[in-house]
Amino acid sequence: DSGVTQTPKHLITATGQRVTLRCSPRSGDLSVYWYQQSLDQGLQFLIQYYNGEERAKGNILERFSAQQFPDLHSELNLSSLELGDSALYFCASTRTSTYNEQFFGPGTRLTVL
Amino acid sequence: GQQLNQSPQSMFIQEGEDVSMNCTSSSIFNTWLWYKQDPGEGPVLLIALYKAGELTSNGRLTAQFGITRKDSFLNISASIPSDVGIYFCAGQLYGSSNTGKLIFGQGTTLQVKP
Repeated sequence: DSGVTQTPKHLITATGQRVTLRCSPRSGDLSVYWYQQSLDQGLQFLIQYYNGEERAKGNILERFSAQQFPDLHSELNLSSLELGDSALYFCASTRTSTYNEQFFGPGTRLTVL
Repeated sequence: GQQLNQSPQSMFIQEGEDVSMNCTSSSIFNTWLWYKQDPGEGPVLLIALYKAGELTSNGRLTAQFGITRKDSFLNISASIPSDVGIYFCAGQLYGSSNTGKLIFGQGTTLQVKP
């Protein structure tokens, strides 16, 4: 158990819908990272937050957004969902914004029908 | 997109054999990490490397940070059935040390025959 929690574990929805994925980092960790894992693209970095502020952005679509709240949990919002958005979404956390040893949560499996 | 080339893509070996996998890049990396992912689970950190030439062990696992900063390898000695899974290399690009952004390889799927 990495100490990072993610909910829900599974999510099935329809195209065009909007969903919110939630992540709670390890106790004491200030930085949260979101990754998407699909069969054809592997693990892709989406976005990083540190202590409530966006720190780095990767290949995140404009339909996707994230935020980190004062209690340090983070949410990833996916809207206007398409079939191709079906993937595993992982959250990871670290103590600082630059520390590389990221600890991953169990992931949310999103299926868009 | 991906900037790391990880090989081999998959391996099917006999229990007790040693395993070697590697990652290469056209770019220089500050940090190399190796993760293992079991089906339906998140990646678990195995080894972190911070210095060119560094050789680090974690039990039966040994990893090295290449001298050129553009490659890394992971060796697993005397494989056992629980070594089955997908192994990923990951790295932080040189010059991006103000963030923790990691780039991942495509993974090596390891299967071990008892």
